[in-house]
Amino acid sequence: DVVMTQSPLSLPVTLGQPASISCRSSQSVVWRDGNAYLNWFQQRPGQSPRRLIYKASKRDSGVPDRFSGSGSGTDFTLKISRVEAEDVGVYYCMQGTYWPPITFGQGTRLEIK
Amino acid sequence: EVQLVESGGGLVKPGQSLTLSCSASGFTFENYVMNWIRQAPGKGLEWVGIVLDKGSGGRIEYAASVKGRFTISRDDSKSIAYLQMTSLRTDDTAIYYCTGGDSSSKVGFWGQGTLVTVSS
Repeated sequence: DVVMTQSPLSLPVTLGQPASISCRSSQSVVWRDGNAYLNWFQQRPGQSPRRLIYKASKRDSGVPDRFSGSGSGTDFTLKISRVEAEDVGVYYCMQGTYWPPITFGQGTRLEIK
Repeated sequence: EVQLVESGGGLVKPGQSLTLSCSASGFTFENYVMNWIRQAPGKGLEWVGIVLDKGSGGRIEYAASVKGRFTISRDDSKSIAYLQMTSLRTDDTAIYYCTGGDSSSKVGFWGQGTLVTVSS
């Protein structure tokens, strides 16, 4: 199984400041077509998860452009350029390249300082 | 508007069975991969299983923790996905989410979830 490891697990951030979450996979999640099937999800308190990023760097429709995804191979990053109050929640990475199983990171809890 | 609505959750005793349904609307259901993903209270996300669309072969796969106990199916004529759960255990207690996605990204949009509680 591909193990996804996120860091940090807790991320206190000042409003307006940037934030960065790392996601590392136990093996490359790049498929033979050259794509990394790596998604990022946001789960606000009391809500279902919502996808922000797919294929490592493609932003979903309606997602603010302060969110960006990057990386390849085994190292991926979700960046928020300027954190807003509505960004509070837990962020998960997920790989869908080598399955079963589809695997998630442990989650990173973003809070406002 | 894309919508997934799960139903069928509830309180059951260990060893009992339960079937969850996921009703889809706002997209061409038959062209999408459907997953079940669960979240135990206060915990992270755990993939339960997947059913591919017919165009991708209709393959079904499960997490090791549920294989042999859970069965996923889909009815494209009704735009509904199902999760049949048998021999339920206390550690199956979770919110169960239905998700849809294309064949490459696998998981895109989510339902609101339905709570399954397994307790004596």
